[in-house]
Amino acid sequence: KAGVTQTPRYLIKTRGQQVTLSCSPISGHRSVSWYQQTPGQGLQFLFEYFSETQRNKGNFPGRFSGRQFSNSRSEMNVSTLELGDSALYLCASSLEGRTFDYGYTFGSGTRLTVV
Amino acid sequence: GDSVTQMEGPVTLSEEAFLTINCTYTATGYPSLFWYVQYPGEGLQLLLKATKADDKGSNKGFEATYRKETTSFHLEKGSVQVSDSAVYFCALSQGNTPLVFGKGTRLSVIA
Repeated sequence: KAGVTQTPRYLIKTRGQQVTLSCSPISGHRSVSWYQQTPGQGLQFLFEYFSETQRNKGNFPGRFSGRQFSNSRSEMNVSTLELGDSALYLCASSLEGRTFDYGYTFGSGTRLTVV
Repeated sequence: GDSVTQMEGPVTLSEEAFLTINCTYTATGYPSLFWYVQYPGEGLQLLLKATKADDKGSNKGFEATYRKETTSFHLEKGSVQVSDSAVYFCALSQGNTPLVFGKGTRLSVIA
């Protein structure tokens, strides 16, 4: 079956712009989580959506937002980009969002570079 | 809050050497523990997991045992291959809470 699909794979944006990243989970999975990966901070949790509702939120400023659609596809948006937002953004999907049952499947990520 | 500490890398080994990557955790309650692997240019793949004390997770020759008394989940492999070169992440989660990751350990295996 198809894995988790993230688009685009690479993005270059200018400071102050906004960006939207997309994630299509595995068919049937209802939970989508987003993580930011940087060399300095490692993997940091952004937010999780389950059945179109945000269920968990990490410690990121309000410039980072997300949503989930009825088909479980998710988007995250970053407004007023800063240089420090340059990172690999990873999406992970899960059947129910409970790691001890099913675990998470990660996509290959979107590499965002802010110049 | 919950946290994961894993040994700093990079780790460089010769092919067929024994691998240990240390991981310890701090958590309230009884978390599930995971090892994920990230190959160059790719996302994370679940390598193995353990959901309760004394459980041993294993996959592709890798093993890790959930030790509650030492709050550890060390990753081991008896004989590494060049294809094992990657970054390895230890992680924990409790119920519906997000995964909490360690900083990652880069492994390089040379022929």
